[in-house]
Amino acid sequence: SQKIEQNSEALNIQEGKTATLTCNYTNYSPAYLQWYRQDPGRGPVFLLLIRENEKEKRKERLKVTFDTTLKQSLFHITASQPADSATYLCALDNIGSARQLTFGSGTQLTVLP
Amino acid sequence: DTGVSQDPRHKITKRGQNVTFRCDPISEHNRLYWYRQTLGQGPEFLTYFQNEAQLEKSRLLSDRFSAERPKGSFSTLEIQRTEQGDSAMYLCASSLGTGQGWEKLFFGSGTQLSVL
Repeated sequence: SQKIEQNSEALNIQEGKTATLTCNYTNYSPAYLQWYRQDPGRGPVFLLLIRENEKEKRKERLKVTFDTTLKQSLFHITASQPADSATYLCALDNIGSARQLTFGSGTQLTVLP
Repeated sequence: DTGVSQDPRHKITKRGQNVTFRCDPISEHNRLYWYRQTLGQGPEFLTYFQNEAQLEKSRLLSDRFSAERPKGSFSTLEIQRTEQGDSAMYLCASSLGTGQGWEKLFFGSGTQLSVL
């Protein structure tokens, strides 16, 4: 079955630096990959969607790359701020299903002032 | 656009009781999803509605779980004979989509269920 792995450890970075989060997947080639942000006690909030034929996508300080050869997506936050502290989830469309998203377990990011 | 609304925010129940959660999606959204999330894990898919039709259910979903979306508007998720393992955050999401591609999901804040 397909498997998603995100940074196994929580990530702490200094304010102003670039945070890079990793999403690796196996046993599948998704057509779509999405990134969400989740704050404690809240539902996930959509950030970016990237398609298999897109290598990179940007939105303000966010950048996502999608390498279908490496089976990996990288999520970058440039000029990070303490307000960026949250858990970041990657999600991909599910093998054999039209409407299921499979989520990774997330990476907890803390931006230190 | 008031976002996806879920009720209640918290529910504490005793093992063996039935519980029902409600989700009000964004009004024009035709697609509605239920997910379940436990601490330290990502959301896990439960079921999907296109308008009023329930088109997908997780193969892992117990038959104690049932969901409805009458008239393609709000949705309810019922858990019968709750077990301690049902304790989790139950998330509802909606989206406006056509065709087979993916679009962004809008999640509610969830219902936190604790089964004692």
